[in-house]
Amino acid sequence: EPEVTQTPSHQVTQMGQEVILRCVPISNHLYFYWYRQILGQKVEFLVSFYNNEISEKSEIFDDQFSVERPDGSNFTLKIRSTKLEDSAMYFCASSGVYEQYFGPGTRLTVT
Amino acid sequence: GENVEQHPSTLSVQEGDSAVIKCTYSDSASNYFPWYKQELGKRPQLIIDIRSNVGEKKDQRIAVTLNKTAKHFSLHITETQPEDSAVYFCAASSSDGNQFYFGTGTSLTVIP
Repeated sequence: EPEVTQTPSHQVTQMGQEVILRCVPISNHLYFYWYRQILGQKVEFLVSFYNNEISEKSEIFDDQFSVERPDGSNFTLKIRSTKLEDSAMYFCASSGVYEQYFGPGTRLTVT
Repeated sequence: GENVEQHPSTLSVQEGDSAVIKCTYSDSASNYFPWYKQELGKRPQLIIDIRSNVGEKKDQRIAVTLNKTAKHFSLHITETQPEDSAVYFCAASSSDGNQFYFGTGTSLTVIP
């Protein structure tokens, strides 16, 4: 069964550094999403992406964040200058029409 | 925007009993309501979903009901087993399907 994959599984970075989180959505899916989950808290929507552009973004998704689909398979989330409060699990998800499937997540630790 | 509330935050049941988790939403235009199960350290996994044109959906021991008028939906797990222990999240999708709003989660513990 196809799955969403994410790399790396864990990223440690220093405050102020840029990070890129990578995702490979399920191949025939058209909608892509990034979510954040701070430890012990709920899943928070960051951004959705369709037809090579952002379709929705939350207030969390400020100018420090950007997304890109650089080729036909990858979907990336870039955080330009990380802050301590960016430490969280970041999940990528993809969907066809409705059903949304999550990747295994990247745990980002900002020190 | 949409606001999804979920109750209870924690739930303990004896093995074999039923568990019910409830969510309410605010945007009457939301039309898709998935439920996710998240085990510790793992990804949320879609376990069941319901669209707004249906009032109830069942898949073996799991069922979801939707009351569009009252804007609430519930997850029902019957004959609970220890492996059902996890955090369960409800969600509501915006009418264009571009944004999903999650509830705060329910930590379910099934006691053997």
